[in-house]
Amino acid sequence: QKEVEQNSGPLSVPEGAIASLNCTYSDRGSQSFFWYRQYSGKSPELIMFIYSNGDKEDGRFTAQLNKASQYVSLLIRDSQPSDSATYLCAGYNTNAGKSTFGDGTTLTVKP
Amino acid sequence: GAVVSQHPSWVICKSGTSVKIECRSLDFQATTMFWYRQFPKQSLMLMATSNEGSKATYEQGVEKDKFLINHASLTLSTLTVTSAHPEDSSFYICSATSGVSTDTQYFGPGTRLTVL
Repeated sequence: QKEVEQNSGPLSVPEGAIASLNCTYSDRGSQSFFWYRQYSGKSPELIMFIYSNGDKEDGRFTAQLNKASQYVSLLIRDSQPSDSATYLCAGYNTNAGKSTFGDGTTLTVKP
Repeated sequence: GAVVSQHPSWVICKSGTSVKIECRSLDFQATTMFWYRQFPKQSLMLMATSNEGSKATYEQGVEKDKFLINHASLTLSTLTVTSAHPEDSSFYICSATSGVSTDTQYFGPGTRLTVL
């Protein structure tokens, strides 16, 4: 079992819809979680991070964390074609001093 | 803020030669830098973790003598691919974290290496 699991997709949503990206993790030592967006041929860019249980909103993005269920999600409201990319979930373990990345979910937003 | 640069952005070299890739944090002091490799349509693979002034910690299966990492200052880390072969062709990406926010990684733009 991988430490961070994501559905590989592709996930396809129509423009304007809500895209829901999910991530589960197995390392209970992970204390903070990150969502990165990676366009094809480019390096990842940070979208959001979340430390506490519950929701965290930033513009069209909402991250959700449930430590009891070891589950992290990212909601993208009013999806745009420019949101089409691969989304990487990562969990950071303070003791290890590094993050573990999922394989990513590919999102396609159709006009 | 939190800008990380890499140089070169792409490089083509002959088999058997060595290639050096630089990673710089431009507006913050990077206490830790990470080096990743990514093959097409595959996930990020962590190669090593580098702390300023100390030896890099390599992930299992990564040859430390082939991938030399130097983190000589708080703003610069280098990765040297020694005696490169075609199978080393990949997208190499560095990231950096600061002492203020040790868990948040900021990625460089990546270096695409092609070994002929």
